[in-house]
Amino acid sequence: EVQVVESGGGLVQPGGSLRLSCAASGFTFSSSWMTWVRQAPGKGLEWVANINEDGNHKFHVDAVRGRFTISRDNPKNSLYLEMNSLRVEDTAVYYCAKGRMTYGMDIWGQGTTVTVSS
Amino acid sequence: QSVLTQPPSVSAAPGQKVTISCSGRSSNIGSDHVSWYQQLPGTAPKLLICENDKRPSGIPDRFSGSKSGTSATLGITGLQTGDEADYYCAVWDRSLSAGVFGGGTKLTVL
Repeated sequence: EVQVVESGGGLVQPGGSLRLSCAASGFTFSSSWMTWVRQAPGKGLEWVANINEDGNHKFHVDAVRGRFTISRDNPKNSLYLEMNSLRVEDTAVYYCAKGRMTYGMDIWGQGTTVTVSS
Repeated sequence: QSVLTQPPSVSAAPGQKVTISCSGRSSNIGSDHVSWYQQLPGTAPKLLICENDKRPSGIPDRFSGSKSGTSATLGITGLQTGDEADYYCAVWDRSLSAGVFGGGTKLTVL
């Protein structure tokens, strides 16, 4: 079955750190762009970051640049989002998705919830 | 405020047709492919339309997409109550070097 499964979410204090993981299966992970998208409570979708097939090209939205880093481990079929200096406004459900904006993101996980609160 | 502009809500009766607009700029819709996503309540988004007008496998032909200049449109015919959801347009923005989503449109099937 083609799927991606996120993990690593939780409650963290402002200024803290968290690492999200996304386990991929059922498709050739090493040949796929991957993307993180988030959705704050009651709000719309926000693109967070994406990474190309070999990990050499990474892009991050301005709101997280310098604090979050997307990465991947192709032998482990895994995608990551390292989140530092977390802020209350980073509270959201974080989705991992296969693909990128230009050609569409066709496989989505169920999301993992990150809550930043004191 | 989103870089891409969508109407906050649209509504129509079962069996009718509805269109959802998405307005952008030359740096995004004007220069790259648009995709559309459906998000049913409490679920993850689902790809409906990619590359402006292509339907992924399994998406019924009731759903269609088009693009002209710096605007894109999602069309849904033969509306069903199960189509009630939030719909988002999405595109890469070359000026921002980032992906952007529209603010989302809530579809109500009356």
